[in-house]
Amino acid sequence: AQTVTQSQPEMSVQEAETVTLSCTYDTSESDYYLFWYKQPPSRQMILVIRQEAYKQQNATENRFSVNFQKAAKSFSLKISDSQLGDAAMYFCAYSLGGAGDMRFGAGTRLTVKP
Amino acid sequence: GAVVSQHPSWVICKSGTSVKIECRSLDFQATTMFWYRQFPKQSLMLMATSNEGSKATYEQGVEKDKFLINHASLTLSTLTVTSAHPEDSSFYICSDQREGGYEQFFGPGTRLTVL
Repeated sequence: AQTVTQSQPEMSVQEAETVTLSCTYDTSESDYYLFWYKQPPSRQMILVIRQEAYKQQNATENRFSVNFQKAAKSFSLKISDSQLGDAAMYFCAYSLGGAGDMRFGAGTRLTVKP
Repeated sequence: GAVVSQHPSWVICKSGTSVKIECRSLDFQATTMFWYRQFPKQSLMLMATSNEGSKATYEQGVEKDKFLINHASLTLSTLTVTSAHPEDSSFYICSDQREGGYEQFFGPGTRLTVL
């Protein structure tokens, strides 16, 4: 079974600084998809960034980027120039795609200090 | 704008009653939708996969007779919590799958409180 592990229950960052959230996963598959979702206090899940396992290039979306290490099964999220609006729960997720479901890590609560 | 809607956003019911939660896929015909449950300060746990025109697939440990799922159309899936009890109080989130079949879009969630 696929598992997703987020070892940091809470993280804190100063506004305008950079923070990295960790995620590891376990799978025997070679093709899959990885995601970072943000859940603000409204509890609406918002996609931050996604990575296809077959792509070697790390995905980037504006201030958000990932460090995808397929051999190590690691998928960390880097947030640059942190903003107060980045404060939220962040979930790492894994999916095989197709009609496959999505598995989530336990989440990391990010606090941004002004 | 939102691509998946849920109704109601918050419902309070008495123990023993049934509650129906609707999940609508907007501007997309979703053959597959998912239902998740999230307890306070915890992650999303998949409850079941809702398949249009066929029976839902439930995760191990989820009672299918208690959590009835109906996916009668390509834009609507419903979750009915039957004979609800206080331990069923939780946040229920649905999602659909689009964008080449791997990305999920989530509804805003429904908070269920059973008294």
